[in-house]
This record gives sequence, C-alpha cells and structure tokens, in this order.
Amino acid sequence: GEDVEQSLFLSVREGDSSVINCTYTDSSSTYLYWYKQEPGAGLQLLTYIFSNMDMKQDQRLTVLLNKKDKHLSLRIADTQTGDSAIYFCAETSMSNDYKLSFGAGTTVTVRA
Amino acid sequence: DTGVSQNPRHKITKRGQNVTFRCDPISEHNRLYWYRQTLGQGPEFLTYFQNEAQLEKSRLLSDRFSAERPKGSFSTLEIQRTEQGDSAMYLCASSAGTSGELFFGEGSRLTVL
Repeated sequence: GEDVEQSLFLSVREGDSSVINCTYTDSSSTYLYWYKQEPGAGLQLLTYIFSNMDMKQDQRLTVLLNKKDKHLSLRIADTQTGDSAIYFCAETSMSNDYKLSFGAGTTVTVRA
Repeated sequence: DTGVSQNPRHKITKRGQNVTFRCDPISEHNRLYWYRQTLGQGPEFLTYFQNEAQLEKSRLLSDRFSAERPKGSFSTLEIQRTEQGDSAMYLCASSAGTSGELFFGEGSRLTVL
C-alpha cells in the first residue's frame, strides 16, 4: 500500500546476508511484520516486532526498527536457495484497528 | 492441520457467474480478515470480523461482494456477477484479538474468463 514502501527486487549470492528494507508513514504503528510468500502460496508470518523494541533476533533473522526514521529492515544471515521468495513488510496500529497495511513486496532471488 | 484453511484453492468461472469462498480460521481466533492480492501487489484489506460482527468494509468491496461469519467461526466471501477485474487471490487471515500475530491461509485464486 501507499503507506508502506519497499524496494522491489534483491539479488543475493547463496551464503551471503540479505537485507530487505521498508519504510512506513504511520507514526502510531504498533506492530511491524515480515511475511514470506512463495509462488502460488499464502503468506507465512516470519517475525514481527513491537514498536517499543529496536531489534529482534530469531535464528537467521534479525529485524531492526528505527522508529524515528520509520524504517524497518530484515536481515537474513547465510541466505539459502529456499529463501527465494517475495517478502512483505506490513504495519498495524490501534488507530487503524489493527488492520494490516502491506508494502508491494520485495522479490528476493538467491543465486548459486 | 490447525492453520487457517481456505477452499476452494482455485476457482475458474465465466463472467457473470457467482462464486463463494470459504475460510476456516484457527480455532478460537476471534478476528477474521479477508484480503485481496493481485499480481505484483501486496494484499489489500477487504473486510474483517470480530466474532460474528462485521466491523469494517473497505471501499474496495463493491456491492457485488458480501461476507458473512454467521456463528463466529468460519466465514464465506461471495462475489456476485463476477467481472474479469475480480480475478485475484483472496486471502483469509485470523488472529486472537490484537495479539499482533495474524496468520494467513493459502488463499483462493479466482480466475474470471
């Protein structure tokens, strides 16, 4: 959506780290999410962060939140071919009654 | 499987026909959402329920679209007099209130010929 923006494409070599960036406009955002979508499939919740946190780590995934700049990033360590997918950033807030607003998605291609 | 279940997974129909999609949310999730996703775009909000009450409908939801959640469990999304522009993936999601975790089903893909 227009309130959440992401770069459209990212190409990364297998074994390297991937960093996907997202910016949002709603300063009252409460939760920020990263979803993964593989071809023909639904959205898989990867991780989410509450707005009073600035970092969250979960195995190979690290989420960084810069609330001042309204910038969210997802770092995938040791990127594998199975990580090739579309990654969506989303945000929600109490002012929006916790409905998710999504970005257009970043297509990540992992090359050997 | 205790995830969000949607069916049918794929529906091909002729323009002007009616179609209905069903969503079974995760048990005991009181919130249920419908989203639409077209190629190359992120999901767009259509409507949502808290228990059986439909709390909000997006302006994207024309009067040809109707959604119900009669007993606060499963939900149906009906599209009447389908148009080619209705071709999209219809995604259902559920959550336990405002917990922050929203889980999606695999989606129902509609193709209108």
